[in-house]
Amino acid sequence: DTGVSQDPRHKITKRGQNVTFRCDPISEHNRLYWYRQTLGQGPEFLTYFQNEAQLEKSRLLSNRFSAERPKGSFSTLEIQRTEQGDSAMYLCASSWTSGRSTYNSPLHFGNGTRLTVT
Amino acid sequence: AQRVTQPEKLLSVFKGAPVELKCNYSYSGSPELFWYVQYSRQRLQLLLRHISRESIKGFTADLNKGETSFHLKKPFAQEEDSAMYYCALQDIEGAQKLVFGQGTRLTINP
Repeated sequence: DTGVSQDPRHKITKRGQNVTFRCDPISEHNRLYWYRQTLGQGPEFLTYFQNEAQLEKSRLLSNRFSAERPKGSFSTLEIQRTEQGDSAMYLCASSWTSGRSTYNSPLHFGNGTRLTVT
Repeated sequence: AQRVTQPEKLLSVFKGAPVELKCNYSYSGSPELFWYVQYSRQRLQLLLRHISRESIKGFTADLNKGETSFHLKKPFAQEEDSAMYYCALQDIEGAQKLVFGQGTRLTINP
């Protein structure tokens, strides 16, 4: 499967612990997005990278959340001091863009990491 | 602000009947619109995008700028169409991130 892969698929943690998720995008894609999805809602944008640069962060992303894409390939999303409200599905997506709005591939999503904070 | 509204959280139709999933959007510029689908235990995947003007799995969607709508239609529903459907709007500048609606769970009854 050469699609977007995310690890782990499930994570259960206790409130106050730190967690880290990993996303491996489609190899030729230069953009990588993180989304969060809670029950009954559509995915909500958190942040995105173009290559290794983090170019936009949603105001949903509190300072307990940090994302990196150090070499412009895989990305990690870390949540510090988890809270019960952080329980959600965390989705990663990737795409390719020419950067000039002349062509952008659609976003391709991974299976997500389901986080449960107890 | 960009917003996508899917007024129906649940939609149930019989096999062979026509189906229409509604989507309305709010966007100040020229939007690019998509329908994504999520089948049971599968990842979210692209169903169609309006600029392609394709028909995928018998589904079509027409962008109506006057009504700011992008409804998804299929003339004859099949049981395998049962899934969660999300309408999404994409910035054409900047992040080009997708803004999703809440989704509609479509159930096709035999």
